[in-house]
Amino acid sequence: DAMVIQNPRYQVTQFGKPVTLSCSQTLNHNVMYWYQQKSSQAPKLLFHYYDKDFNNEADTPDNFQSRRPNTSFCFLDIRSPGLGDAAMYLCATSSASSGRNSPLHFGNGTRLTVT
Amino acid sequence: DAKTTQPNSMESNEEEPVHLPCNHSTISGTDYIHWYRQLPSQGPEYVIHGLTSNVNNRMASLAIAEDRKSSTLILHRATLRDAAVYYCILRDVTKDDYKLSFGAGTTVTVRA
Repeated sequence: DAMVIQNPRYQVTQFGKPVTLSCSQTLNHNVMYWYQQKSSQAPKLLFHYYDKDFNNEADTPDNFQSRRPNTSFCFLDIRSPGLGDAAMYLCATSSASSGRNSPLHFGNGTRLTVT
Repeated sequence: DAKTTQPNSMESNEEEPVHLPCNHSTISGTDYIHWYRQLPSQGPEYVIHGLTSNVNNRMASLAIAEDRKSSTLILHRATLRDAAVYYCILRDVTKDDYKLSFGAGTTVTVRA
């Protein structure tokens, strides 16, 4: 029944070792988002896609990249993770056809640990 | 972007109503008021949104002040499952993007 699926739920990587987080959706939504949430903080938007159009937030570090090969899948690549990148990474979707008030649907996140 | 201000935390007793305030004194005419909540170890979930009129759904009610400078999310009978962080967010429908930006939120604790 899950509509926005993030795998894995927990990911451990080493300092400086590239890591990819995955998100898939069964909602056929055309907008997809990646958020970073550090402990006891609110989610922070990293970037979002409108269809294939990529929209980066001004303060998102270059270390973070994203790919969206098709409507259903979106990936977050962290090229050289630092200790400060340890966080929960949340994927979300929304439907542009439902208007700009269209609710976001979130996955349950991937918790990234950097050792 | 117009900002929101919420209390850091609130406590409630089970089975009692919870009124969560949100101030947005710089709200513009095209800003909708959205509420999301985040249960422990889960992603945020949509609760409700409104523009001017009060709104009700199966999860909660949203009361919007006449001048729109504040709003209140009402959980009619709190349960232990309502313990979460509640976020009040403004979305400008005239903006050419679909972004949603979170503020600090209110942590709600429900006592049995």
